[in-house]
Amino acid sequence: DGGITQSPKYLFRKEGQNVTLSCEQNLNHDAMYWYRQDPGQGLRLIYYSQIVNDFQKGDIAEGYSVSREKKESFPLTVTSAQKNPTAFYLCASSIRPDTDRIINYGYTFGSGTRLTVV
Amino acid sequence: GDSVTQMEGPVTLSEEAFLTINCTYTATGYPSLFWYVQYPGEGLQLLLKATKADDKGSNKGFEATYRKETTSFHLEKGSVQVSDSAVYFCALRVIGDDKIIFGKGTRLHILP
Repeated sequence: DGGITQSPKYLFRKEGQNVTLSCEQNLNHDAMYWYRQDPGQGLRLIYYSQIVNDFQKGDIAEGYSVSREKKESFPLTVTSAQKNPTAFYLCASSIRPDTDRIINYGYTFGSGTRLTVV
Repeated sequence: GDSVTQMEGPVTLSEEAFLTINCTYTATGYPSLFWYVQYPGEGLQLLLKATKADDKGSNKGFEATYRKETTSFHLEKGSVQVSDSAVYFCALRVIGDDKIIFGKGTRLHILP
């Protein structure tokens, strides 16, 4: 079955360390997204990518970095510059937005990674 | 800009009660509308959608009707179960926009 996989499910980081969260999809989707969710809060967009080798900052990109070297993969690195990284991170994918068909499509989400700074 | 406003939670109901979660939107284009559900510790799942005015989306006993005249997409269920306890997100997508706009979510608690 096609889907989107995030790993690991739980991640612990020491202060000052960089960590990378994995997101892989086999849905043949062009667009991928990273969101942050804090307890009791909604979704905040970190980065998104519509095509391989291209990505754009979202609303809260500071302290994060991404790469999009393959269509299937969109890893997120939480750097030591991110002052409050403890959160639940969600990856999503979608067909390419620049088509009329996009109006019928939502996102497919992964099951999330919970990052805790210790 | 485009936005989604949904009722604040938490919403607490007894099992078998009638549920309504209000959602209104503002959009410059002609959006598609979605409801997503997030169970504890999981990602979001698409619950239902509607792509044009007067469409009714439905799934698992939940329904929502796209009302263009009132710019609303309220989520309803006739008889809720404990297993419906989750966070519900209303969202919209406009042609030409590369992102979906989400509401802030409404937490639903169902008591046995």
